[in-house]
Amino acid sequence: QKEVEQDPGPLSVPEGAIVSLNCTYSNSAFQYFMWYRQYSRKGPELLMYTYSSGNKEDGRFTAQVDKSSKYISLFIRDSQPSDSATYLCAMRNSGYSTLTFGKGTMLLVSP
Amino acid sequence: KAGVTQTPRYLIKTRGQQVTLSCSPISGHRSVSWYQQTPGQGLQFLFEYFSETQRNKGNFPGRFSGRQFSNSRSEMNVSTLELGDSALYLCASSLTSGVDTGELFFGEGSRLTVL
Repeated sequence: QKEVEQDPGPLSVPEGAIVSLNCTYSNSAFQYFMWYRQYSRKGPELLMYTYSSGNKEDGRFTAQVDKSSKYISLFIRDSQPSDSATYLCAMRNSGYSTLTFGKGTMLLVSP
Repeated sequence: KAGVTQTPRYLIKTRGQQVTLSCSPISGHRSVSWYQQTPGQGLQFLFEYFSETQRNKGNFPGRFSGRQFSNSRSEMNVSTLELGDSALYLCASSLTSGVDTGELFFGEGSRLTVL
């Protein structure tokens, strides 16, 4: 079992839909959780950064962390074609800088 | 504020050759990490440098090495290239390392093709 599991997709939705992206993990030591967006042939761009459990909202994006279930989510409201990209979850322990990534979910938003 | 800069962006090498990739972190950031991204394995951690010292190393063979200079710029080197080394090599910088690491910001990557 990999430390971080993420459905590779692709996930296809119409413009305006609410998108839910998820990751599960096995290492209970993970304390910091991130979501990155990666466009084709580009580097990952940090979208959300959260510590421990709870919710964090930033514009159309909401990140949720449930440490008891070892489950994190990213919600995108009013999705746009420009949101079409691969979304990577990442996490790390409190004492280390090293990130462990999911393999990414490809999202396609059609006009 | 300039982001993380990686050079070269694209390069093609043949098996057995060596390659050096360069990374300039965000101004003021002292920690630089390197990751390898392939379609099959996703993003995998290579190593992290902080204040010119290697802080952590991933599970890669000794052909992969790196260093960090006093201005926080970093280079990574891959010797005796193999076909399986073809990948996008990503550099990430953060203000510091360890407990207070904070956010990691990635560059655009160096895409290496080994023929």
